[in-house]
Amino acid sequence: DAGVIQSPRHEVTEMGQEVTLRCKPISGHNSLFWYRQTMMRGLELLIYFNNNVPIDDSGMPEDRFSAKMPNASFSTLKIQPSEPRDSAVYFCASRPPLGTQYFGPGTRLTVL
Amino acid sequence: GDSVTQMEGPVTLSEEAFLTINCTYTATGYPSLFWYVQYPGEGLQLLLKATKADDKGSNKGFEATYRKETTSFHLEKGSVQVSDSAVYFCALGDMGGTASKLTFGTGTRLQVTL
Repeated sequence: DAGVIQSPRHEVTEMGQEVTLRCKPISGHNSLFWYRQTMMRGLELLIYFNNNVPIDDSGMPEDRFSAKMPNASFSTLKIQPSEPRDSAVYFCASRPPLGTQYFGPGTRLTVL
Repeated sequence: GDSVTQMEGPVTLSEEAFLTINCTYTATGYPSLFWYVQYPGEGLQLLLKATKADDKGSNKGFEATYRKETTSFHLEKGSVQVSDSAVYFCALGDMGGTASKLTFGTGTRLQVTL
C-alpha cells in the first residue's frame, strides 16, 4: 500500500501567486481531510470530504482557500492569492468507511 | 465544543526512563480517543486508540487507558528509547470507531537522550 501521497513535498512561492497542493488518498478510503500545521496554531482541520462531498469547511481560513475532490482518488487545496502567513505544513489524511485516519507526509509551503 | 488538553513540552528524558504524557478532554457523548506520533519531517501516525471507557490501547510498548471518570487518556511507556523522540498528539473523535472528525491537542515534544 503506497499510503497517502501528497505533492509537491516542498513549495516556495512569492506572495500573490497561486498555489495548488495535491493529494491522492489510499484506495478504498472514502473520507479525506486537509490540515494545516504551524508552530503558533498547531494542527488545524481545514476541510473534510466524505464520498467526494465537502462535509465541513468551517476551518478554511478565508475565501483565498478552496478545496476540491473531483473523484475518489484525487483532491486539491488551492490558495489564491497566497500570503506569507499561509506558510505552514499542509497535511492530507484519508480514512476508510470504518477505521482511523492515515496521514500523508505533508507539503511544506513557504510564501515569501 | 470538544477540546483536548495536553501537558506542555518539551519533555526530556534519559533512555530507559518512564514516560507519562498527560491528556484530558472535554466532549459530549462518547468519543473515541487516540494518540498519534509525528517523527521529524513526517506526517502523523496512529500510535494507539481506545473506543470506549476502560479500554486500554497499546502499541510498541506505549499504553493509554480511557478513563471516563477523570476524562483522561494519559500516555505511558515503561522504558523509553532514543528512537521514541517525536511529537505526540492526543486526539478525540466525534463518533465511535469511525471518528469522522478528530480534535487534536497541541502536541507534546519528547526528547530522549542517551
